[in-house]
Amino acid sequence: DAGVIQSPRHEVTEMGQEVTLRCKPISGHNSLFWYRQTMMRGLELLIYFNNNVPIDDSGMPEDRFSAKMPNASFSTLKIQPSEPRDSAVYFCASSSINYYEQYFGPGTRLTVT
Amino acid sequence: AQTVTQSQPEMSVQEAETVTLSCTYDTSENNYYLFWYKQPPSRQMILVIRQEAYKQQNATENRFSVNFQKAAKSFSLKISDSQLGDTAMYFCAFMRQGAQKLVFGQGTRLTINP
Repeated sequence: DAGVIQSPRHEVTEMGQEVTLRCKPISGHNSLFWYRQTMMRGLELLIYFNNNVPIDDSGMPEDRFSAKMPNASFSTLKIQPSEPRDSAVYFCASSSINYYEQYFGPGTRLTVT
Repeated sequence: AQTVTQSQPEMSVQEAETVTLSCTYDTSENNYYLFWYKQPPSRQMILVIRQEAYKQQNATENRFSVNFQKAAKSFSLKISDSQLGDTAMYFCAFMRQGAQKLVFGQGTRLTINP
């Protein structure tokens, strides 16, 4: 299996621009998670989906952030407009609903200037 | 809310030595899971080992083992015969049974010196 796939690996954008991060979960997994990693806050869960339905989005920082999962093999995390404080590494992870192990993608390093 | 604390921001040992990373957590739950993840410089998060709280036996995976003390809410990771490739950030994580949400500690930066 290819594992969790994220794109792009690196993204540099200017403040105010829209940013879209993409994730393909492991085939057969029906839970998908978006995490953010920063020096100040560490690793924190932003949102997760079960069977393409958002279950808990309490970690989403503000309305500038949105996430979708239109089908079982694709999810996006969008930031509009982006701000310098959004600079972080964003991870996508997937798992089976009935099993607790989460498998992480390689992450997207976002830099907002 | 659950919290996870890793009290050692950095550690450094010589190759082939044994090293123990500490982790404590705070929860009122009785059923939960604990994990250690490794994040090498490539930044990929890799699951190293897991422990189910209902199991008394400590989990082991090759050179990696844990010391799970449920009453003390302690979950340390022991790496035996350390190798250069073990150099990484190590994160302890907690998951309440049925919750799916991972709560991470702040991490310990481990350096293995040749």
